Amino acid sequence: DADVTQTPRNRITKTGKRIMLECSQTKGHDRMYWYRQDPGLGLQLIYYSFDVKDINKGEISDGYSVSRQAQAKFSLSLESAIPNQTALYFCATSDFLAFFGQGTRLTVV
Amino acid sequence: AQKITQTQPGMFVQEKEAVTLDCTYDTSDPSYGLFWYKQPSSGEMIFLIYQGSYDQQNATEGRYSLNFQKARKSANLVISASQLGDSAMYFCAMREITGNQFYFGTGTSLTVIP
Repeated sequence: DADVTQTPRNRITKTGKRIMLECSQTKGHDRMYWYRQDPGLGLQLIYYSFDVKDINKGEISDGYSVSRQAQAKFSLSLESAIPNQTALYFCATSDFLAFFGQGTRLTVV
Repeated sequence: AQKITQTQPGMFVQEKEAVTLDCTYDTSDPSYGLFWYKQPSSGEMIFLIYQGSYDQQNATEGRYSLNFQKARKSANLVISASQLGDSAMYFCAMREITGNQFYFGTGTSLTVIP
């Protein structure tokens, strides 16, 4: 089993819909991150969390929200999806090194 | 200013040859770590190699080595004896020890030619 698991792996949703991407980890790390990857732009940080009570915005948090339900779980929500949120989304955890989930390919039509 | 700069959007290399992927970084923190990740077409991010700012020697992991030039703030990845399976996107990343996040470059797409 993967140390960092993202669900779903692929999702197509309509403009205006709310969608949640889930992430769970078995690494026991306190630090968790959500990144977005667009072609030619690398990985951009959306939100990060250092523990259940600590949530921080990254460089591109507008249009997104997160919930840290437990040390092992960190969810990303798109409150009202729009087409330019079509991207590959990664959850990651770290102690020192970053460990990534398999990614979620989200398409907003 | 960009924290991590990868100036090669795409690179080609002949199978069995060596290739260098460039990465420069920007930080005023004396303590930091530099990382390289590989992203094959399947999408997952695979950790390759790490270099600490205080490490005296260049990091090596099998066919991967990191050419660390601290004064020039560069951390180039060298892949020796390229294989077809090395075709992928490669990302350079940095974490400042006092910081909260990892900074990633825009990536280099490597294609290994048979």
